[in-house]
Amino acid sequence: DGGITQSPKYLFRKEGQNVTLSCEQNLNHDAMYWYRQDPGQGLRLIYYSQIVNDFQKGDIAEGYSVSREKKESFPLTVTSAQKNPTAFYLCASSILLGIGADTQYFGPGTRLTVL
Amino acid sequence: AQSVTQPDIHITVSEGASLELRCNYSYGATPYLFWYVQSPGQGLQLLLKYFSGDTLVQGIKGFEAEFKRSQSSFNLRKPSVHWSDAAEYFCAVAPPQGGSEKLVFGKGTKLTVNP
Repeated sequence: DGGITQSPKYLFRKEGQNVTLSCEQNLNHDAMYWYRQDPGQGLRLIYYSQIVNDFQKGDIAEGYSVSREKKESFPLTVTSAQKNPTAFYLCASSILLGIGADTQYFGPGTRLTVL
Repeated sequence: AQSVTQPDIHITVSEGASLELRCNYSYGATPYLFWYVQSPGQGLQLLLKYFSGDTLVQGIKGFEAEFKRSQSSFNLRKPSVHWSDAAEYFCAVAPPQGGSEKLVFGKGTKLTVNP
């Protein structure tokens, strides 16, 4: 079945440590996105990538980094510079139709807790 | 800047009752409109979307939404709610000229279904 997988589902980290969240898709989508979700805040865009080896900052990129070495994979690193990293992180992907907005499809999410 | 408002943070309905979740947007042109549903601890699932054409859109799980240009609204409806519909619902808006990275989410409406 085609879809988006995120791992791990739950992640615990000590303050001062970097941690990497995995996102893989087998939908052959060009674009991938990372969102952060906090209670009552909706979703906020962290980074997005429209093509391999290229990515752009979203609205809240500070304290995060990404890479896009393969079309299928878009890992997110939460660095120690992120002041409040405890949140639910969602990865999404979409086909780039080139006309209008594309429909984004979401993975199951990773809940990160900083101890 | 475009924005999305979901006026109701929490709605409670009885099983079998009808449901309407409100969504208003602020944007100069008619945007692309989406409704997503999120079960606790899960990712987002697309319910339906509106790009153009018929203003009444049918989605999955028996949901429908109506686009009203004069009211800048895209309300989600279901004639008879099932207990499994309990979840959080997000309205999202994207500009018509493209740019999926510009997708803006509302803060969500949490639906509780009483037996």
